[in-house]
Amino acid sequence: QSVLTQPPSASGTPGQRVTISCSGSSSNIGRNTVNWCQQLPGTAPKLLIYNNDQRPSGVPDRISGSKSGTSASLAISGLQSEDEADYYCAVWDDSLNGWVFGGGTKLTVL
Amino acid sequence: EVQLVESGGGLVQPGGSLRLSCTASGFTFSNHWMSWVRQAPGKGLEWVANIRQDGNEKYSVDSVKGRFTIYRDNAKNSLYLQMNSLRAEDTAVYYCVRHTTGSPFDFWGQGTLVTVSS
Repeated sequence: QSVLTQPPSASGTPGQRVTISCSGSSSNIGRNTVNWCQQLPGTAPKLLIYNNDQRPSGVPDRISGSKSGTSASLAISGLQSEDEADYYCAVWDDSLNGWVFGGGTKLTVL
Repeated sequence: EVQLVESGGGLVQPGGSLRLSCTASGFTFSNHWMSWVRQAPGKGLEWVANIRQDGNEKYSVDSVKGRFTIYRDNAKNSLYLQMNSLRAEDTAVYYCVRHTTGSPFDFWGQGTLVTVSS
């Protein structure tokens, strides 16, 4: 069981907007910033969102992140087939003194 | 161009040891925290350990404490993971990951596969 809870799957049709949630606690999301990684099939993960809502260069602005209390969300609008991937949230946990990842959400573009 | 190249993975018997290496290039290695993150076959990501720029502060996940040691050699631009008393559940692809202040996990290597089996 992951410390951070994500839905195992999500789906949408091209052009739609989808959101993926990440639920934590006061020792992780409640105190620290949230990061999101994308893992395309057969490849290494890549950073998608850092510091709750910041995009590294090269990440399109149709991808956004937000945080409220002990939960966070990743939103992808204008869904494209190349968005089909696994998505993970990651946060530092002050109680565990370590990084924790969510269990991952597999996004399918129908 | 930023590069992180892992090596040292392979097949090892339960109870055995292995040392993973990660060679960095294209950036000032000594300026960054570094981590090892693993992914068991068909499973999600699990952070294993991290180390501060000077090597004097380290953290690791409970399941590897006392068995795995992370260390670095800034003169060689290299990160290491010494893995002892390996178990079947340590079987995974191990990624070397760079952290930049304010932007953790900002660059990942391609990974090296460790298989623990008799």
